[in-house]
Amino acid sequence: NAGVTQTPKFRILKIGQSMTLQCTQDMNHNYMYWYRQDPGMGLKLIYYSVGAGITDKGEVPNGYNVSRSTTEDFPLRLELAAPSQTSVYFCASSNSGGTLGELFFGEGSRLTVL
Amino acid sequence: DAKTTQPNSMESNEEEPVHLPCNHSTISGTDYIHWYRQLPSQGPEYVIHGLTSNVNNRMASLAIAEDRKSSTLILHRATLRDAAVYYCISNFGNEKLTFGTGTRLTIIP
Repeated sequence: NAGVTQTPKFRILKIGQSMTLQCTQDMNHNYMYWYRQDPGMGLKLIYYSVGAGITDKGEVPNGYNVSRSTTEDFPLRLELAAPSQTSVYFCASSNSGGTLGELFFGEGSRLTVL
Repeated sequence: DAKTTQPNSMESNEEEPVHLPCNHSTISGTDYIHWYRQLPSQGPEYVIHGLTSNVNNRMASLAIAEDRKSSTLILHRATLRDAAVYYCISNFGNEKLTFGTGTRLTIIP
């Protein structure tokens, strides 16, 4: 049972570099989310998608971009990485927008920007 | 401000029941109340959710106040594996679940 798969699990970036965090789910869920979690803090929503071709901003979208070309994939792009983007990133999916159903989370991607 | 309020931390003895409180005074009539927990170095995992009635599943029970302004997550018999951060959250009328800082539950052997 794969569920939600995130890659890479760990990454170190230099300031100004760019990268993409990959997220794939095999549950045919329409809703997908990207959260970030800073040390000792709760999760903050970056972007979310309610279906292929549809994305919307969350609480902290600045410095990130997303796309949703397929139901399965929801990559998160970091442009011009900054130390403030050092965090653990979690991808999640749901079959009903999280308001009625369960969010399934990936194991997280730990990003350090130096 | 639409948010939930939880104590920062709680302690409980192993094998005893745990009651985790949450206030959500601005919740609307159609907003569900969700509970998730996050074990150390893991992603959050679903615990339970409900709308008006009390809910039970294999992990926990959720008691929702009649006015829906507060709820309590009940772990009937805490084990060391239940040590985690517990998040009480709601969507507050939109498509997204907003997490707060949660309650860090410590289980004392």
